[in-house]
Amino acid sequence: DAGVIQSPRHEVTEMGQEVTLRCKPISGHDYLFWYRQTMMRGLELLIYFNNNVPIDDSGMPEDRFSAKMPNASFSTLKIQPSEPRDSAVYFCASSLGDRPSGYGYTFGSGTRLTVV
Amino acid sequence: TQLLEQSPQFLSIQEGENLTVYCNSSSVFSSLQWYRQEPGEGPVLLVTVVTGGEVKKLKRLTFQFGDARKDSSLHITAAQTGDTGLYLCAGARKRTSYGKLTFGQGTILTVHP
Repeated sequence: DAGVIQSPRHEVTEMGQEVTLRCKPISGHDYLFWYRQTMMRGLELLIYFNNNVPIDDSGMPEDRFSAKMPNASFSTLKIQPSEPRDSAVYFCASSLGDRPSGYGYTFGSGTRLTVV
Repeated sequence: TQLLEQSPQFLSIQEGENLTVYCNSSSVFSSLQWYRQEPGEGPVLLVTVVTGGEVKKLKRLTFQFGDARKDSSLHITAAQTGDTGLYLCAGARKRTSYGKLTFGQGTILTVHP
């Protein structure tokens, strides 16, 4: 299993530009999560999907952020327009949600976004 | 306000020493997990605890879930340089809410040779 695959690994963009982050979850996992990690705020949940349907997007900072999951094997997180305060590492994670003894996330390697 | 408080935030020790990291909350969790994250990578799941008072061992690592399911600890015996990393606890609030984990701020552990 290749694990959760994120692309790109690094993204440097200018303020005002559109940024699209991509994620391929583990096959068979029915939950997909987008997190943002910064030194100041730690890991923050942005949005999560169950069976491709957005369940909770209360962590999305503002309307500049949007996420889609068109099918079970692909999700995108888009920021438009980007701002310097969006600079962070963005993680995608997936999980199988019906384990009776508890569950765990499998994280991707993250996308380090720098907005200048 | 952080739902899960980890302490200490930073820990710097010599190889061979023992250490304990704590994860505390005023809320009850249906399950709690510990992850380790290395630079440039995503967190990796170490263990899940679901029963109050539960103790799990993973080689030199011992994890404990508090009786009231509000706190947890991670104890490492005879630390090695390979244990260096960011340790994160994460809790699920509702048994039926599989989707949402809340993470602590993490403990940065550095083990010196």
